Amino acid sequence: GNSVTQMEGPVTLSEEAFLTINCTYTATGYPSLFWYVQYPGEGLQLLLKATKADDKGSNKGFEATYRKETTSFHLEKGSVQVSDSAVYFCALSAPQGAQKLVFGQGTRLTINP
Amino acid sequence: GAGVSQSPRYKVAKRGQDVALRCDPISGHVSLFWYQQALGQGPEFLTYFQNEAQLDKSGLPSDRFFAERPEGSVSTLKIQRTQQEDSAVYLCASSQVRQGQGRETQYFGPGTRLLVL
Repeated sequence: GNSVTQMEGPVTLSEEAFLTINCTYTATGYPSLFWYVQYPGEGLQLLLKATKADDKGSNKGFEATYRKETTSFHLEKGSVQVSDSAVYFCALSAPQGAQKLVFGQGTRLTINP
Repeated sequence: GAGVSQSPRYKVAKRGQDVALRCDPISGHVSLFWYQQALGQGPEFLTYFQNEAQLDKSGLPSDRFFAERPEGSVSTLKIQRTQQEDSAVYLCASSQVRQGQGRETQYFGPGTRLLVL
């Protein structure tokens, strides 16, 4: 079946550091790929998405590129801020059916000033 | 421009008690999803509605879980005879498009945190 594997956390960085959170997936066909973020005390919010191979999703300085050859969708940001502290979830939706999301286990990110 | 709302935000139930969790999707959204998020884990799919039709309930963990969306808008997730393993955050999400029409974004509510004692 479809699955998502994320880099295990927690991850702690200093402000202005470079961030990478790894995400790989297993799926049949060509899924859509997503990064969702959950800030403390808030609900899940879509951060970025990509719907086909080689697409790059970007938002708020974060980027991720859909790599079919390595079945990956790694999240990157060049210079993190304290306000980026949150839990990040990688997810996919299959190309057929109800578009239900399959999530990774989440990566907790803490940015220290 | 209200988002997805859920109520109650927190629910404490005694083991064996029935509970009902409500979801108000974004107005006009055709698709509605329920997910269960255990502590420290990613959300897991429970069930999916397209308007009032429940098209996928493959994720419901047992026959104690029941969901409905009778008028194609508000949805209720009911858990009968709650067990401790039902303790989790229950998330509702909605999206504009129908099944098979594309990869529209799902918008999530804040969740209902259920604790079964």
